[in-house]
Amino acid sequence: SQTIHQWPATLVQPVGSPLSLECTVEGTSNPNLYWYRQAAGRGLQLLFYSVGIGQISSEVPQNLSASRPQDRQFILSSKKLLLSDSGFYLCAWSVGLAGGREQFFGPGTRLTVL
Amino acid sequence: AQSVSQHNHHVILSEAASLELGCNYSYGGTVNLFWYVQYPGQHLQLLLKYFSGDPLVKGIKGFEAEFIKSKFSFNLRKPSVQWSDTAEYFCAVIPNTGFQKLVFGTGTRLLVSP
Repeated sequence: SQTIHQWPATLVQPVGSPLSLECTVEGTSNPNLYWYRQAAGRGLQLLFYSVGIGQISSEVPQNLSASRPQDRQFILSSKKLLLSDSGFYLCAWSVGLAGGREQFFGPGTRLTVL
Repeated sequence: AQSVSQHNHHVILSEAASLELGCNYSYGGTVNLFWYVQYPGQHLQLLLKYFSGDPLVKGIKGFEAEFIKSKFSFNLRKPSVQWSDTAEYFCAVIPNTGFQKLVFGTGTRLLVSP
């Protein structure tokens, strides 16, 4: 069966420090991968998605970047964190490029920037 | 671009009360529809989905949703809620053609009092 891992589970970082959040998927090949940020009252905002190794699409301009160095690994990064980067970050995966596939979510990372 | 509206941001019910959470979407083509649920401290998980066929779909834990195409709606229902249904509920939509992105509503926080 497929599983998705995210780490760390929680993170407290000072403003201006770098960030690296990791997501890995097991039990499937060539998944589509997604990074979301969940904010109270705003639902889930799609930040990045990837349909293959090295292929990254950005949804919103921001202080963050994403990379996909391996088929089942998706990394969210920042060179210098801002206070506004605080939030709950979710990784998700789906399969197939045909339309309408459901997505499966990881446990999330709670990021607090002080 | 498609969008999803969830009309109720916070709902408070007593146990055994009936539940209906509204969800409307805007998109002119064929879509697939989902309800996700996030219990306190747990992953976001799929509650139910509609791809085609019978517009009344049944999900886990006694939930059901009805797709009304003419109203662009996909409301979630449960005849009798339990304390364990306390969670945040998200409606989501994805077009059924090509590679598309899942679009979420802003979520509804449900609190069921014992």
